[in-house]
Amino acid sequence: QLQLQESGPGLVKPSETLSLTCTVSGGSIRSSSYYWGWIRQPPGKGLEYIGSIYYSGSTYYNPSLKSRVTISVDTSKNQFSLKLSSMTAADTAVYYCAKQGSTTRAAFDIWGQGTMVTVSS
Amino acid sequence: QSALTQPPSASGSPGQSVTISCTGTSSDVGGYNYVSWYQQHPGKAPKLIIYEVSKRPSGVPDRFSGSKSGNTASLTVSGLQAEDEADYYCSSYGGSNNSGVFGTGTKVTVL
Repeated sequence: QLQLQESGPGLVKPSETLSLTCTVSGGSIRSSSYYWGWIRQPPGKGLEYIGSIYYSGSTYYNPSLKSRVTISVDTSKNQFSLKLSSMTAADTAVYYCAKQGSTTRAAFDIWGQGTMVTVSS
Repeated sequence: QSALTQPPSASGSPGQSVTISCTGTSSDVGGYNYVSWYQQHPGKAPKLIIYEVSKRPSGVPDRFSGSKSGNTASLTVSGLQAEDEADYYCSSYGGSNNSGVFGTGTKVTVL
């Protein structure tokens, strides 16, 4: 069955750029017609949508993060990635990658386990 | 992009029902039938339990049901069980420039 796994640094310095990768196994990003997304959750707080990408490369971002976010896809590696620039303490969170349906209206039906990212000098 | 409003907490005894509300606007909850609900146990990733207002993914018990009226969506958990104690989040599509917005979350306690 389809599984997603996040990877990346657990600690990022303020003002630096966070880079995370989500590796998809049990299925091909290229042969599917799904969107793939990123969601984050600060400690003790709620979920926040970051953005989504289609296998073709079309992207949709949360307007409040749009100026700092880039999501990309590498179908040859069956991965998609998140870059978030100008990190501050407010960006400290668990970052999840997830599979969406065939449109950005769809729910996230398969999630990775999440990776904790702390912003600190 | 404002979060959808949920009550912070809800509770019920085993076997009882609990209903959680999720209030948005005509630009999100009220404008589309793309409301979903997620269950999250401590330290775990969220799990999809309701999509498109009232549909259940395969494997989700029919004790979980969803509905919508105007700008407010609701999740009802019937026949509460101990394992239903978790945080619950709603989410809605909010248009092409606001694809995803989550609710503030509700902690359900089984007394």
